[in-house]
Amino acid sequence: DVKVTQSSRYLVKRTGEKVFLECVQDMDHENMFWYRQDPGLGLRLIYFSYDVKMKEKGDIPEGYSVSREKKERFSLILESASTNQTSMYLCASSFPLLGQGGGYTFGSGTRLTVV
Amino acid sequence: AQSVSQHNHHVILSEAASLELGCNYSYGGTVNLFWYVQYPGQHLQLLLKYFSGDPLVKGIKGFEAEFIKSKFSFNLRKPSVQWSDTAEYFCAVNAGQGGKLIFGQGTELSVKP
Repeated sequence: DVKVTQSSRYLVKRTGEKVFLECVQDMDHENMFWYRQDPGLGLRLIYFSYDVKMKEKGDIPEGYSVSREKKERFSLILESASTNQTSMYLCASSFPLLGQGGGYTFGSGTRLTVV
Repeated sequence: AQSVSQHNHHVILSEAASLELGCNYSYGGTVNLFWYVQYPGQHLQLLLKYFSGDPLVKGIKGFEAEFIKSKFSFNLRKPSVQWSDTAEYFCAVNAGQGGKLIFGQGTELSVKP
């Protein structure tokens, strides 16, 4: 069974902390994505990557950065966590052509609370 | 910028009622369209997708969706809902920007037994 694994299901961090959210996929997917999910706003794209060491900004990149040193791993970094970054963070991966494999495979999400 | 709009934020139905959830997108070119479902406490799963061909697409669990190009719509339907269909439903569009999906705001469906 193909999988996207996010390292933490729940996380509580203090304002100003540097936070790392990890995502690993075992499907040899080239594309990886980070979204945040908020009630009434749906999923909003933070960053994505089409290849190792490659990254592109999504719609809401401010306050975030990413790292993709290996094909299977895509990390989201909150440089200095703030309360408005309290959210559910979803990682997804896919082949370059969405017709291969039928779109994204999602992880279970990390619910981050910043206090 | 491309956008996806789901007009129904919360829908409440009784079991056996028919369901139609609206999805409209703003993009004039070729699109790939998706519906995802998120059951309580679970990760998002693909319900169905449209790439080309027959605009009426059948997915899992009895769901279907119709792509109407002239209306920029991809509405999700099910003739008879069950309590187990209680979930949040997301429409998504890939609009010629590589593999990036743009999601709608989501529709929460509550089915009363």
